[in-house]
Amino acid sequence: EPEVTQTPSHQVTQMGQEVILRCVPISNHLYFYWYRQILGQKVEFLVSFYNNEISEKSEIFDDQFSVERPDGSNFTLKIRSTKLEDSAMYFCASSDTDSWLYEQYFGPGTRLTVT
Amino acid sequence: AQTVTQSQPEMSVQEAETVTLSCTYDTSESDYYLFWYKQPPSRQMILVIRQEAYKQQNATENRFSVNFQKAAKSFSLKISDSQLGDAAMYFCAYRSAGTGNQFYFGTGTSLTVIP
Repeated sequence: EPEVTQTPSHQVTQMGQEVILRCVPISNHLYFYWYRQILGQKVEFLVSFYNNEISEKSEIFDDQFSVERPDGSNFTLKIRSTKLEDSAMYFCASSDTDSWLYEQYFGPGTRLTVT
Repeated sequence: AQTVTQSQPEMSVQEAETVTLSCTYDTSESDYYLFWYKQPPSRQMILVIRQEAYKQQNATENRFSVNFQKAAKSFSLKISDSQLGDAAMYFCAYRSAGTGNQFYFGTGTSLTVIP
């Protein structure tokens, strides 16, 4: 069964550094998402992406964040200058339509630790 | 904004017994969708069951069923005949039926199945 994959599984970075989290969505999916979960807190929506542009973003997704689909398979989340509070598990998801009928398929997550 | 609350950080159940995981949500919308996702250790979140708010009938999927109380804004998950493979983190999620396609998640309930 097709799966969303994410790399790396764990990323450690120093405060102020740029980090890129990578995701490979399911190949025929058209909608892509990033969520994050700070330890002990809710899974929070960051951004959704469709047709090579952001379709929705949360207030968390400020100018430090950007997303890109550089080729036909990868979907990346970049954090330009990481802060301690960016430490979290980051989940990528994809779906083949915006309809609720179609679930979002999640990756296993990347644990980002900012020191 | 919608909020989803899971008041049980951890639950345990004997194998073959039944367990109920609680979820409440807050919304001013009348039409929406509710989901339960399961995340086994170090694995992707996968959809367990979903419910349309306009349907009064509770959704069921094999050993999994929900108790949807729209007036009380409650959406609990019942797992019958619990199996060792049910051990996971369970997330309750809300999705608006209107514009926007993000999920709002609870903080999760960690379920342990005791042999």
